[in-house]
Amino acid sequence: EAQVTQNPRYLITVTGKKLTVTCSQNMNHEYMSWYRQDPGLGLRQIYYSMNVEVTDKGDVPEGYKVSRKEKRNFPLILESPSPNQTSLYFCASRKELSAEQYFGPGTRLTVT
Amino acid sequence: DAKTTQPTSMDCAEGRAANLPCNHSTISGNEYVYWYRQIHSQGPQYIIHGLKNNETNEMASLIITEDRKSSTLILPHATLRDTAVYYCIVRVGGGLNSGGYQKVTFGTGTKLQVIP
Repeated sequence: EAQVTQNPRYLITVTGKKLTVTCSQNMNHEYMSWYRQDPGLGLRQIYYSMNVEVTDKGDVPEGYKVSRKEKRNFPLILESPSPNQTSLYFCASRKELSAEQYFGPGTRLTVT
Repeated sequence: DAKTTQPTSMDCAEGRAANLPCNHSTISGNEYVYWYRQIHSQGPQYIIHGLKNNETNEMASLIITEDRKSSTLILPHATLRDTAVYYCIVRVGGGLNSGGYQKVTFGTGTKLQVIP
């Protein structure tokens, strides 16, 4: 089944403890993105990647890192999480010559 | 990417057509209009997109004004399962002739409530 998977789906952590949210797609898509969703602010893009080793900042990249060493994986790294990074996170991917973006199921992160 | 303006919320009676408007007055000539929806807290789902011609697929129709400054998503026979937040997005690239630019701004969308 074609899909975007994220792990973990739920995470509660403490301020300053480094964490990684994984994202993987099995559709051989070139483009991958990370978004966060907060009440009243909608979906905001954090980082995106156009292919392996090619990444760029979205609208809210501060406090996040990403890497794209393999085409299928696009992990989101929080080196020192803070409470303002408590949010619902979505990973997405799409084929280069396609309009449709596929989203993962989301990761709900709470930083205390 | 051009910004979009959508009503915060709308109601629609079950079985009737739902017409969701979107203003994108600063859209550029190479920017497409996309619609996605998000049911509860699931990942957004692609619905339809277009450049300047009206488009229709199995889910919806997209009507884009001649000056391209606004568009309307039409769900012809709304069901309770269509209750969701609908996002109108404009961005460069429609797929077949897109190059690489991938920054996307979703905004807050329109919360559509389908009423029995």
